[in-house]
Formats: sequence, structure tokens, C-alpha cells
Amino acid sequence: GENVEQHPSTLSVQEGDSAVIKCTYSDSASNYFPWYKQELGKRPQLIIDIRSNVGEKKDQRIAVTLNKTAKHFSLHITETQPEDSAVYFCAARPTGTYKYIFGTGTRLKVLA
Amino acid sequence: DVKVTQSSRYLVKRTGEKVFLECVQDMDHENMFWYRQDPGLGLRLIYFSYDVKMKEKGDIPEGYSVSREKKERFSLILESASTNQTSMYLCASSPGQGAGFFGPGTRLTVL
Repeated sequence: GENVEQHPSTLSVQEGDSAVIKCTYSDSASNYFPWYKQELGKRPQLIIDIRSNVGEKKDQRIAVTLNKTAKHFSLHITETQPEDSAVYFCAARPTGTYKYIFGTGTRLKVLA
Repeated sequence: DVKVTQSSRYLVKRTGEKVFLECVQDMDHENMFWYRQDPGLGLRLIYFSYDVKMKEKGDIPEGYSVSREKKERFSLILESASTNQTSMYLCASSPGQGAGFFGPGTRLTVL
């Protein structure tokens, strides 16, 4: 069935370094890939998304890349700050459906 | 701003009770979802609805049902609560092909 694998499950980086989180999806018909950030005790919030007709999208320190051939997409955070510490979820939405398939999350810790 | 609200932040129920979780969105979104969030398992889809009175099973529908009588409201029902349904429940809504917006969550404990 449809599946999204997310790695790593935990990631610790020093403040100022970059962080990369990778996801792989199974349904080649997926056409929309959002990323959510969930701070402790709060709801997941959309931070960036990408559609299948685009290879890369950037918003300040955050970027997402998509490799449709390999069915991979990644979140890149540069110049990490302590407030980037959170759980990050990737998701994929197969074409023709309304539902999202989520990865299992990555707990990012930015060490000051 | 999109606002998705859930009826309770914390709820404690007893095994066998019927439990209702309510979700309301104010942005006229077509789609609404119920997820449960458990450590190490991420967000798992229970049910979703793409229109009033329409519903589809997600990945883990067993033990749950839903109701969507009005566009803005999507209810999750636990017919007979069990301890393995202790979890964080998150509601979300989305427009057509757009991103989902989450509610604050309901932490349900079944004793």
C-alpha cells in the first residue's frame, strides 16, 4: 500500500549547522508534498510544500527538494537555531485522492 | 487565518463509554480528517471526509466512526472506548488540493 518512509528518526545538530531530513514515498502518482513542524505540545504547522512539477523550493532558511525518479524528497534547514528544535513530518498526497500519507517524524534538536 | 478547533484539549473516559470528539473549521474547507498521533508511529489517518455526509476509511478505522452533517463540523465517535484508544487525536481540514491545517489536538485517556 501507500507508504512514506522518513529518516532519521532523531537528529542533533549544533546551532548554525545545517540539517537534512529525507523521505521516500511509494506511490509514484503522488503529486504534492508538504512538510510540517510540530513544537512540543502544539499542533503540526505547515512550513513548506512542493508540487511534483517543481524540483526545488526555498523559503529563507528552509528548502525542499524533490526527485521524482527516485521518489525522494528532502527538507533542508540551514543556519539552524534553537527554535528550529521540533518534530518534523513529511507527507505525500497521491494524485486523485484528498488524503495525505505521513512519515513517522524526525525529532530535531539544535544544540546551543 | 484558518481556524480549526477541537471540543476538548484533554479528556478522560472509562472503558466501554461512547466518546464524541468534535472538530470545527471556519474556512469553508471541503476536506476534513481525523488522525491519531502515537510516539514512534507518526500521524495515522482514521477517517476523512471530502464533502458533507461523505466519508472514507483511512488506515486505522476499526473501533471508530465519523459524522459530517455540516461542512464545518466533523465528529469522531468511539463507539465503545478501549484502553488502546488512549492517544492524541488531531483533526485537520484542507481546501480542495491544498495543504492541511491542524487543530490543537485532544489528548484522550481511556481508563
